[in-house]
Amino acid sequence: DAGITQSPRHKVTETGTPVTLRCHQTENHRYMYWYRQDPGHGLRLIHYSYGVKDTDKGEVSDGYSVSRSKTEDFLLTLESATSSQTSVYFCAIRGDLGGELFFGEGSRLTVL
Amino acid sequence: GIQVEQSPPDLILQEGANSTLRCNFSDSVNNLQWFHQNPWGQLINLFYIPSGTKQNGRLSATTVATERYSLLYISSSQTTDSGVYFCAVDPGNTPLVFGKGTRLSVIA
Repeated sequence: DAGITQSPRHKVTETGTPVTLRCHQTENHRYMYWYRQDPGHGLRLIHYSYGVKDTDKGEVSDGYSVSRSKTEDFLLTLESATSSQTSVYFCAIRGDLGGELFFGEGSRLTVL
Repeated sequence: GIQVEQSPPDLILQEGANSTLRCNFSDSVNNLQWFHQNPWGQLINLFYIPSGTKQNGRLSATTVATERYSLLYISSSQTTDSGVYFCAVDPGNTPLVFGKGTRLSVIA
């Protein structure tokens, strides 16, 4: 199994609070991704990174920011959580363009 | 951008039956992957198959890149095969594009 750890795995928070999800990998892979999964919407890309300090937006990036200060960690931040951000968040990694994509276990976030 | 369509959207099988899931894509791709999301939410890699045929136990996959489709075959289905099957295509210089999935329910 790919060495991907997401934390926290479960979180309940209130509207307006900041939330940070962490993705940690031990594979030294260049590419890292954050997806959200909601019923009826499949997997939607939020942000991705193609190297340290190199990030780009996905299709549903509004309300989210990311940071990657070292190869192994990719952080997803909700500056002020809203109920519409209640979802399951998946991190994924890939070694290079064209390489195989691997997912983490997911983080379930509930915003009340 | 590239479009990915999976069919059928839902499938119910009796244990022991065989099935074929299809993934069509609208443009040429560098690679294609199949994933299984089990009832506990884990996304498991099944196949990394840009072209040709691969087999892993009761599962096999075939990608015909020139005709822009891939097929996932499940033989002698088991209840543990239940879940959602996603295909994802790699256009080359952008992140993977996912289909909406096929939800499979295998009934004992």
